[in-house]
Amino acid sequence: GAVVSQHPSRVICKSGTSVKIECRSLDFQATTMFWYRQFPKQSLMLMATSNEGSKATYEQGVEKDKFLINHASLTLSTLTVTSAHPEDSSFYICSARDSAYNEQFFGPGTRLTVL
Amino acid sequence: AQSVSQHNHHVILSEAASLELGCNYSYGGTVNLFWYVQYPGQHLQLLLKYFSGDPLVKGIKGFEAEFIKSKFSFNLRKPSVQWSDTAEYFCAVTSAGGQNFVFGPGTRLSVLP
Repeated sequence: GAVVSQHPSRVICKSGTSVKIECRSLDFQATTMFWYRQFPKQSLMLMATSNEGSKATYEQGVEKDKFLINHASLTLSTLTVTSAHPEDSSFYICSARDSAYNEQFFGPGTRLTVL
Repeated sequence: AQSVSQHNHHVILSEAASLELGCNYSYGGTVNLFWYVQYPGQHLQLLLKYFSGDPLVKGIKGFEAEFIKSKFSFNLRKPSVQWSDTAEYFCAVTSAGGQNFVFGPGTRLSVLP
């Protein structure tokens, strides 16, 4: 299947700093990517849908000014957690939709720890 | 709005036991259904999916699932589990043609050697 990568895989930062997470589709073009958040021992919760060349669509309760999403190309979407706080510590997972197969492929996730 | 429930939070089995993990969804229209597995420390992997056709779907690693429309269910089965099947299993649904996945809460499977 198609491959989606995320970078970094793990990041530790101080409270108040900003962290950028990259999501790349390696062997296909993705007009749509998705960002999820997974708390320990819980399921994935969709945060936002990232559309190439346009603004992201955020789910209810997700602060768009805190979680900045940029989908500048057909293979790259970035999530920036601004002014991170300890409660932002979580596992962030992206997925990319391969329209040729009508299927989403998930990245390996990024574990964010905010001290 | 769509929702997905999974019957068991944690299932513990011995090797060679049979497995069935329950999944029910709520949505009035046509759906696409998925089962994903997340091994410890690894990313989500697709086990199988149902879009249309034969409601009994066979996936990788000996897993299968049956879509029962009247019951809004998509239970995952495996006749004989192995220790390596220890993982978290997520059922997910999208509306037909839709993109937004709704995930169930997950079921942790522990297989004892």
